[in-house]
Amino acid sequence: QVQLVQSGAEVKKPGASVKVSCEASGYTFTNYGINWVRQAPGQGLEWMGWISGYNGNTNYAQKLQGRVTMTTDTSTSTAYMELRSLRTDDTAVYYCTRGTRFWFDPWGQGTLVTVSS
Amino acid sequence: QSALTQPPSASGSPGQSVTISCTGTSSDVGGYNYVSWYQQYPGKAPKLIVYEVGRRPSGVPDRFSGSKSGNTASLTVSGLQAEDEADYYCSSYAGSNNYVFGTGTKVTVL
Repeated sequence: QVQLVQSGAEVKKPGASVKVSCEASGYTFTNYGINWVRQAPGQGLEWMGWISGYNGNTNYAQKLQGRVTMTTDTSTSTAYMELRSLRTDDTAVYYCTRGTRFWFDPWGQGTLVTVSS
Repeated sequence: QSALTQPPSASGSPGQSVTISCTGTSSDVGGYNYVSWYQQYPGKAPKLIVYEVGRRPSGVPDRFSGSKSGNTASLTVSGLQAEDEADYYCSSYAGSNNYVFGTGTKVTVL
């Protein structure tokens, strides 16, 4: 079955960087894109950006431009999301989700990133 | 890109229907038939329940239905069951590989 498995929880200090991984299985990785979505505690979902599993093309949400980089390793069917210059309001659960045309399915289990001094 | 507007909460008794609205603009909801809906239980990842406005993935009960009129999409849950108590989010394609989510609606089964 199609599955996305993410890396474990992280605790970072303000100003640091974090890199979250998302390993895909059960489908041909290069046929789909991966989107990243985050959810701050008690808040709604926020789309962060998209990366093509085929050629690595990306599109990032405007508010994160310059701080986020999404990459893929097709040899291991893994997508990565790096967020730099972390702030306390970046504390959130970060999800990867397969971009199936214009919707998101399935989702990874989520990775909690806590930013605290 | 501003979040799509959803009511914070909705409720109904078992067996009743509840409808959740999702209001955007002509640049997102009104411009594309690519509205999707997600169900999320506390502490869990979201799950796709409706895509392309009104289509359901296999395994999703037909109690869940979606529609759209102009810049507003809607999700209706008919025959409410206790297991439908969850948070629901809409999402829309917004052009140029951009997407936007709704603010979320907590559904309570009374």
